[in-house]
Amino acid sequence: GAGVSQSPRYKVTKRGQDVTLRCDPISSHATLYWYQQALGQGPEFLTYFNYEAQPDKSGLPSDRFSAERPEGSISTLTIQRTEQRDSAMYRCASSPTGTGGFYNEQFFGPGTRLTVL
Amino acid sequence: GQQVMQIPQYQHVQEGEDFTTYCNSSTTLSNIQWYKQRPGGHPVFLIQLVKSGEVKKQKRLTFQFGEAKKNSSLHITATQTTDVGTYFCAGPTGYKLSFGAGTTVTVRA
Repeated sequence: GAGVSQSPRYKVTKRGQDVTLRCDPISSHATLYWYQQALGQGPEFLTYFNYEAQPDKSGLPSDRFSAERPEGSISTLTIQRTEQRDSAMYRCASSPTGTGGFYNEQFFGPGTRLTVL
Repeated sequence: GQQVMQIPQYQHVQEGEDFTTYCNSSTTLSNIQWYKQRPGGHPVFLIQLVKSGEVKKQKRLTFQFGEAKKNSSLHITATQTTDVGTYFCAGPTGYKLSFGAGTTVTVRA
């Protein structure tokens, strides 16, 4: 696609419910990132994928958080048994793969605003 | 782990004036990236600096990477209302980017 898309844009859920957020990266990009962004803060790394591999999930806050990218394109972030502290903007970004992946810019999606009541 | 800090947190600028925002890392960086997030928008890549002491310009924006590759600055001249937003710097550790908390810029016309 032309850019990174995320759905839903807004999600309101009750505490204890599971939610799944979706990210559709730029089609040619091998690397995909998930971030959590609190109001007034910069994006905080959650996890990333290189194609379907998930080399680093060190930023996931707890085992209630999981992410998948089974075919190396679309990714989902699932939060089980949501808590009020999970309320935040969840952003996805993708990046082209080069000889040095960490030298590449990241293209961010519009985010999903999650509110847990 | 690596921490990236930005100052000031807020910058209120009179239209036409210049200002500088600063980014400091607790560790030496291989490169540094700057992003801009407009109100209600998402971070958009501005520039990447790689070399020690590197200076890059984009119109009224001047980016600098420190000699020790532990700090960076963004200088905006003749601020315009289009400069409103939050400017983030970010430093990598492998594929992972650590973002600062950002400098939020407001402009008085």
